[in-house]
Amino acid sequence: GENVEQHPSTLSVQEGDSAVIKCTYSDSASNYFPWYKQELGKGPQLIIDIRSNVGEKKDQRIAVTLNKTAKHFSLHITETQPEDSAVYFCAASGVTGGGNKLTFGTGTQLKVEL
Amino acid sequence: GAGVSQSPSNKVTEKGKDVELRCDPISGHTALYWYRQSLGQGLEFLIYFQGNSAPDKSGLPSDRFSAERTGGSVSTLTIQRTQQEDSAVYLCASRIRDVNTEAFFGQGTRLTVV
Repeated sequence: GENVEQHPSTLSVQEGDSAVIKCTYSDSASNYFPWYKQELGKGPQLIIDIRSNVGEKKDQRIAVTLNKTAKHFSLHITETQPEDSAVYFCAASGVTGGGNKLTFGTGTQLKVEL
Repeated sequence: GAGVSQSPSNKVTEKGKDVELRCDPISGHTALYWYRQSLGQGLEFLIYFQGNSAPDKSGLPSDRFSAERTGGSVSTLTIQRTQQEDSAVYLCASRIRDVNTEAFFGQGTRLTVV
């Protein structure tokens, strides 16, 4: 089955700096890669996603890049703000067996310091 | 409702008791997932339902765990003879279909086994 690894587990940046979180996946059949943000006491919420036919996607301060050959994808947050502090999860999804299971990375605790 | 609804939000139970956790997915969503999140940990896949297909139970940690999805809508996760290691947040998510679409999460049920 799919295995998703995520690094780093914790990341501390100064307000205004950029933050980068990296993930690798194992199943070459995976073709959908979402990123979720989880604030304390809440369920994860989608912030951006990318499909395998695209190499990069950007939404304001957030961008995701995908390297299918290397099976790497990354989340880039620019001009970080205190409200970006949260746990971020990457995930990979693709048809496996009879269904389309979302496999998550282990999460990155991002702290944006003033 | 507007989103995925889970109940109860919190559950404290005595070791050895059975518990039922409920998930109301977004109307029309055919795919439904259960995940477990232990304190400070990632999202551990438990089970996945897609339409009328047989569920993917590959993530259930033991035969004390089971889940049903009635009428393609509401799902119930049952844990029998609860153990202290079952203490975690149980998250439910639904997707409009199982291919390359956003998964919407509920707020979760925090289960504490004492």
